[in-house]
Amino acid sequence: GIQVEQSPPDLILQEGANSTLRCNFSDSVNNLQWFHQNPWGQLINLFYIPSGTKQNGRLSATTVATERYSLLYISSSQTTDSGVYFCAVEPSGGYQKVTFGTGTKLQVIP
Amino acid sequence: KAGVTQTPRYLIKTRGQQVTLSCSPISGHRSVSWYQQTPGQGLQFLFEYFSETQRNKGNFPGRFSGRQFSNSRSEMNVSTLELGDSALYLCASSLAGIYGYTFGSGTRLTVV
Repeated sequence: GIQVEQSPPDLILQEGANSTLRCNFSDSVNNLQWFHQNPWGQLINLFYIPSGTKQNGRLSATTVATERYSLLYISSSQTTDSGVYFCAVEPSGGYQKVTFGTGTKLQVIP
Repeated sequence: KAGVTQTPRYLIKTRGQQVTLSCSPISGHRSVSWYQQTPGQGLQFLFEYFSETQRNKGNFPGRFSGRQFSNSRSEMNVSTLELGDSALYLCASSLAGIYGYTFGSGTRLTVV
């Protein structure tokens, strides 16, 4: 099956710093989504981004499907950005199961 | 609109027992997927149901089963519980595939 790797696995930032999270996938995908899991376990949709670039406030994401990677940018980080960031992909080819990446655990310190 | 509702939120069971978890999707969503999340294994796909049919299944033993009703509500059942089944069980609903994926708050199962 498809492999989805995220880097870095852990990240500690000072409040106000910027960061880039990466998601690499081993095969072609139809869809890709980024999620944030807060410290209470709730998973929140950030971006649905099978290709191209999207921005939402301090967050933006870019997917280059032909090169099989996606990036999530967090600017001017805040303590509320802490948690785990996952990318999830839906492989090409009919009804394929969604596969989640390994996650990046982000801690933003004041 | 109401979100995805999972019940119960917390559950403690004894080894060997069985458990049933429930997931009510967002109104109009016909796809419900289940995941197991543990600290060591991350988010592992269990199964997906679409219009009462299982469309995909992950690599879990037959003790894990599920179903979906005509109103799109879904249940998953784990029989003969083992200590390793302790995890956060999450369900997600969507219109189709990953688009619009919305997760519930999860059921935290502890097996003692």
